[in-house]
Amino acid sequence: GDSVTQMEGPVTLSEEAFLTINCTYTATGYPSLFWYVQYPGEGLQLLLKATKADDKGSNKGFEATYRKETTSFHLEKGSVQVSDSAVYFCALSDLQGAQKLVFGQGTRLTINP
Amino acid sequence: DAGVIQSPRHEVTEMGQEVTLRCKPISGHNSLFWYRQTMMRGLELLIYFNNNVPIDDSGMPEDRFSAKMPNASFSTLKIQPSEPRDSAVYFCASRETGVNTEAFFGQGTRLTVV
Repeated sequence: GDSVTQMEGPVTLSEEAFLTINCTYTATGYPSLFWYVQYPGEGLQLLLKATKADDKGSNKGFEATYRKETTSFHLEKGSVQVSDSAVYFCALSDLQGAQKLVFGQGTRLTINP
Repeated sequence: DAGVIQSPRHEVTEMGQEVTLRCKPISGHNSLFWYRQTMMRGLELLIYFNNNVPIDDSGMPEDRFSAKMPNASFSTLKIQPSEPRDSAVYFCASRETGVNTEAFFGQGTRLTVV
């Protein structure tokens, strides 16, 4: 079945550092890919998405490119801020998977000033 | 729209008691998901409805868990009897039908079973 694997956390960086959170997926069809973010005490909210190969999703300085050849959707940001501290989830939705939304295990990010 | 509304926000109950969690999805959304989040297991999909019909309940841990969606604006997740290992944050999410559409999450119900 469909699955998503994220890099293990937690990740701790200093402010203005470069961020990469790795995400790879397994899907039977051609999924849409998402990154969601969860701030403390809240539900998840969409950060960005990409719906086909080579698409780049971007929002709030974060970017991720849909790489079909490596089945990856890594999240990057050039200069992180303290306010980016949160848990980040990679997810996919696949027509062959009955359109259910499958999440990775999440990566906790802490940014120190 | 007020977003996905879950109730209660917090629930503390004794082992063996019945617990009912409630969710009101965003109007017009055809798909509804129930997830459970714990430190050990992360975010697990419990059940997924489309047009009020359960499509995939393979994530429901055991017969103690049941979910219903009697109409497009209301869903419940029931645990009977509850056990301490059911302690978690339970999220409801809804989205329009389609693989590309954004899912909107409620703020969750934090369940503690003592």
